[in-house]
Amino acid sequence: SYDLTQPPSVSVSPGQTASITCSGDKLGDKYVSWYQQRPGQSPVLIIYQDKNRPSRIPERFSGSNSGNTATLTISGTQAMDEADYYCQAWDRNTVVFGGGTKLTVL
Amino acid sequence: QLHLQESGPGLVKPSETLSLTCTVSGGSIINDFYYWGWIRQPPGKGLEWIGSVYYSGNTYYNPSFKSPATISVDTSKNQFSLTVTSVTAADTAVYYCARGSYSSRPGYYYHYMGVWGKGTTVTVSS
Repeated sequence: SYDLTQPPSVSVSPGQTASITCSGDKLGDKYVSWYQQRPGQSPVLIIYQDKNRPSRIPERFSGSNSGNTATLTISGTQAMDEADYYCQAWDRNTVVFGGGTKLTVL
Repeated sequence: QLHLQESGPGLVKPSETLSLTCTVSGGSIINDFYYWGWIRQPPGKGLEWIGSVYYSGNTYYNPSFKSPATISVDTSKNQFSLTVTSVTAADTAVYYCARGSYSSRPGYYYHYMGVWGKGTTVTVSS
């Protein structure tokens, strides 16, 4: 089965840039999506097809994907961005999620 | 605005069958561009995809999913359903339904969940 690896946790100061990575074999050949999940809430799609944002998602969220690593970048991080983030890919007719990264804004 | 709502029993006994339904409102489940999926999240853990169904009944399942699961669709009711048989405590989780964008065109191979329900908590306990 295909695996996606994320760091368990990332910390960032308010106003700074946070980067969350997602690694997988030849991940750059696949489309990656990212989800934000605040405590007690459903996941929300924030990036799809590597770098596209749904209309309601702030511009400070961006994505990239190349080689074996996809990256979610949050510019000017705000306290409200503190959440769990999951990457996801579609591999051989299977939805695969990364293990999730807890973003702490401190 | 599309809305998905999960429904079903919150408590299921071990070895019994878990049945959940997702009701779609604000749009038709009959749509060429979407599959409809089930995802679960055990307490304190990450997301696990169970499977997805097309309005025609075509399905994809997670080959790593340990419990026997079946996903079906009822276009007349604009609903799709999940059944998991012989549940154990490991099936205790929040279960989400979601609309999944899908493409199998060469060079545009993807399936991601764009709209999620609020989730329903299922506890497996005697």
